[in-house]
Amino acid sequence: DTGVSQNPRHKITKRGQNVTFRCDPISEHNRLYWYRQTLGQGPEFLTYFQNEAQLEKSRLLSDRFSAERPKGSFSTLEIQRTEQGDSAMYLCASSSTGAEAFFGQGTRLTVV
Amino acid sequence: GEDVEQSLFLSVREGDSSVINCTYTDSSSTYLYWYKQEPGAGLQLLTYIFSNMDMKQDQRLTVLLNKKDKHLSLRIADTQTGDSAIYFCAESMSSGSARQLTFGSGTQLTVLP
Repeated sequence: DTGVSQNPRHKITKRGQNVTFRCDPISEHNRLYWYRQTLGQGPEFLTYFQNEAQLEKSRLLSDRFSAERPKGSFSTLEIQRTEQGDSAMYLCASSSTGAEAFFGQGTRLTVV
Repeated sequence: GEDVEQSLFLSVREGDSSVINCTYTDSSSTYLYWYKQEPGAGLQLLTYIFSNMDMKQDQRLTVLLNKKDKHLSLRIADTQTGDSAIYFCAESMSSGSARQLTFGSGTQLTVLP
């Protein structure tokens, strides 16, 4: 399978715990994006990497959120001190120089 | 600001055509997209159109863009039950490298037998 891969698919955590999600983009894609999708809404942009450089961050990305792409390949999104409002689907997408952005299956986070 | 709007629901009979509509506000949009999302799944790119085009056809899918009215539509010919899903319209305002997308809230398409 050469699509965008996200792990885990589901995560249940207690409020206040830290969680980390991983995204493996399509191998030749140098651009990687994180989005968040809450129930009944479209995805909202969080952050963008070109290779290992984080070039854009949304206002939605509070200081409890940090994303990395250390070698320009896979990326991780960490949420510290999770809150119930963080419950959402976290989607990763990747693209090359063209217009097409391909999404992974997402990680569904539930904070209890 | 950026805003993409879609109607929430659409029901059609199997075999009929479906037309899903979308309006956007930013005239500097460079690409406009249609994505499909099935329950519990990620987003599947269906098609996209560059802002200097007014129509694009891809098998059963036809995209129409009215740039003057900032209106985008997706027509699905011969709609099948497997087409039941949520359809998202999205715009990309970024020129150059980034393809940051702004999405609508999605249209739930229900195909009735």
